[in-house]
This record gives sequence, C-alpha cells and structure tokens, in this order.
Amino acid sequence: DAKTTQPNSMESNEEEPVHLPCNHSTISGTDYIHWYRQLPSQGPEYVIHGLTSNVNNRMASLAIAEDRKSSTLILHRATLRDAAVYYCILRVRDTGRRALTFGSGTRLQVQP
Amino acid sequence: KAGVTQTPRYLIKTRGQQVTLSCSPISGHRSVSWYQQTPGQGLQFLFEYFSETQRNKGNFPGRFSGRQFSNSRSEMNVSTLELGDSALYLCASSFGQDFYNEQFFGPGTRLTVL
Repeated sequence: DAKTTQPNSMESNEEEPVHLPCNHSTISGTDYIHWYRQLPSQGPEYVIHGLTSNVNNRMASLAIAEDRKSSTLILHRATLRDAAVYYCILRVRDTGRRALTFGSGTRLQVQP
Repeated sequence: KAGVTQTPRYLIKTRGQQVTLSCSPISGHRSVSWYQQTPGQGLQFLFEYFSETQRNKGNFPGRFSGRQFSNSRSEMNVSTLELGDSALYLCASSFGQDFYNEQFFGPGTRLTVL
C-alpha cells in the first residue's frame, strides 16, 4: 500500500491555527487522500478527504500540493477538543480494498 | 440516526478460550470492516464485508474469522485466544462499496486476555 509519513507529535495553543503535514511521495493519480482522527477512548472519525483540489468542510481544510506528493490538514482555530491522533491515509483504488490502512499518525496536543 | 454499536464493550477471557464480538452498522450501511488496535502495532485491518461476502482480509492468522448477516450486522470470532490478542477491536461501517466512502467507527470492544 502507498505509504504516508507524518510527524509523531505536534503542539498547538488553543484558538490558534494548526497545520498538520503529511508526505505521500508514492501516491498515484487515482489515490484519494483521507484524514481521520481518533479522540481519546473513542474510535476514529472522518475529518476530510480530497483528490487534487483543496477542500473545506465544517471541521477543517485540506491543502493538497500541486504534485500531490504532500498535503496539509488545517484546523483553523484549535480547541481543546481537537487534541487527538490525526491519521493521513491514502485510499488506493487499485487494491480494490475499501478498508483503511492506518499509519502511526500525529498526536496533536492543544494547550489552553 | 444511531451510530455504529459494538457489543460487548469490555471482555475478559483467558488463554485458549474463544470469543465472539458483535457489530451493528448504521442503518442502511452494507459495508462493515474490522480493525485491531494495540499500542505496539497501532490500527490494523482485519477484514471487510459487503452484502454478506468477505471482500478483503488483512494479515492475521486463521484464528480470526468473521461473518456478516443479511441485515448487515457482523460478528468476528477469535479462537484459541493468546495473550497478544488483547486489544481494542473496532468495527466501521460505510454506505456502499464506493471507494471513497467515509467510514463510521464504533466505540470498540476492549478485549483482555489473561
């Protein structure tokens, strides 16, 4: 499966923007970039996904590099509730598998 | 709309026993996937089902099995439990077979093997 690389951990202050990077240099043209997060003691939850263009939703924005070899999840104003492990996942169409391949993710700490 | 439910939430078993975990997907969802989460290995894919058929399987021994019923509910079974099977088992459902469909996760079943 195509691999993603994320920093192990990041820190942010409450109400400040957070930029979570992800490298996926082996991405192919049909692979989607998905982000999920896992809050403490909960199952993962979907955050956002994209293919080529930048995407926005109520939770976050996804900025995708022009060559698609990297992407950045942007939380516009971090809250304490955003403290979680964030996973950048490539959904590889050619495998025919709909399930997710999780890496180790980035643990985001938010300071009050 | 109710979310994905998993039962039981907590389970303690001893080595050599077997266990069955249950997952009820969101109403209308026909795809169910199972994952194992441990501190050492992180989140690993076990298997996925769609319309009662296993579509893909992860790299786990044959002691791990599953099935899906006609109402889309799913069960997974682990036989001859080992200490290393202690983990959080997560179930996720999605609406269809589309490649990019969002997966909705349940709260998990925490299995402890003594």
